[in-house]
Amino acid sequence: QKEVEQNSGPLSVPEGAIASLNCTYSDRGSQSFFWYRQYSGKSPELIMSIYSNGDKEDGRFTAQLNKASQYVSLLIRDSQPSDSATYLCAVSPYGNNRLAFGKGNQVVVIP
Amino acid sequence: GAGVSQSPSNKVTEKGKDVELRCDPISGHTALYWYRQSLGQGLEFLIYFQGNSAPDKSGLPSDRFSAERTGGSVSTLTIQRTQQEDSAVYLCASSFTDGAEAFFGQGTRLTVV
Repeated sequence: QKEVEQNSGPLSVPEGAIASLNCTYSDRGSQSFFWYRQYSGKSPELIMSIYSNGDKEDGRFTAQLNKASQYVSLLIRDSQPSDSATYLCAVSPYGNNRLAFGKGNQVVVIP
Repeated sequence: GAGVSQSPSNKVTEKGKDVELRCDPISGHTALYWYRQSLGQGLEFLIYFQGNSAPDKSGLPSDRFSAERTGGSVSTLTIQRTQQEDSAVYLCASSFTDGAEAFFGQGTRLTVV
């Protein structure tokens, strides 16, 4: 099993809709969880961090963490064309503090 | 500095030559990470530093790759006898401490011809 998995294919959403992205991880002791946004040809940009079970909201973004089920999700409300990018899930495994990344999910917001 | 700085931004080198990539992390950040991203692919972990030591070198793809960090600050990634498959964007990130939020530099695009 991969450390961090993002299995969904490209996601197309109409402008104004909610985009939902999911990520699962294998190390049950992981403590830190992050979502990055990467525009084509650019480096990843941190958009959300979450450390405790539950929801964390920041503007139009909400991160959700469920440690028992070992998944973390990202919701993007009122999606805008500028949200079109690849979203990367990252997890810091317990006892091994390198940051492990999923392969990413491409989001396309259709005007 | 204000952010993570990487140099050069672009590097074109001939196959078989050695290259050195530099990363200057955010001031005060003790953790430093190197990743590689090939076109259209995800991030491939290379090496992680805590201070000047590298507790995790598991991602270095071959013995042609090496990295060091001095003074708990600047890090250099060296690729010896470059091959065409080494062509990729090399990304550096730093964080205040282990497990904290990590911030990326703009990357170095390496092309081996």
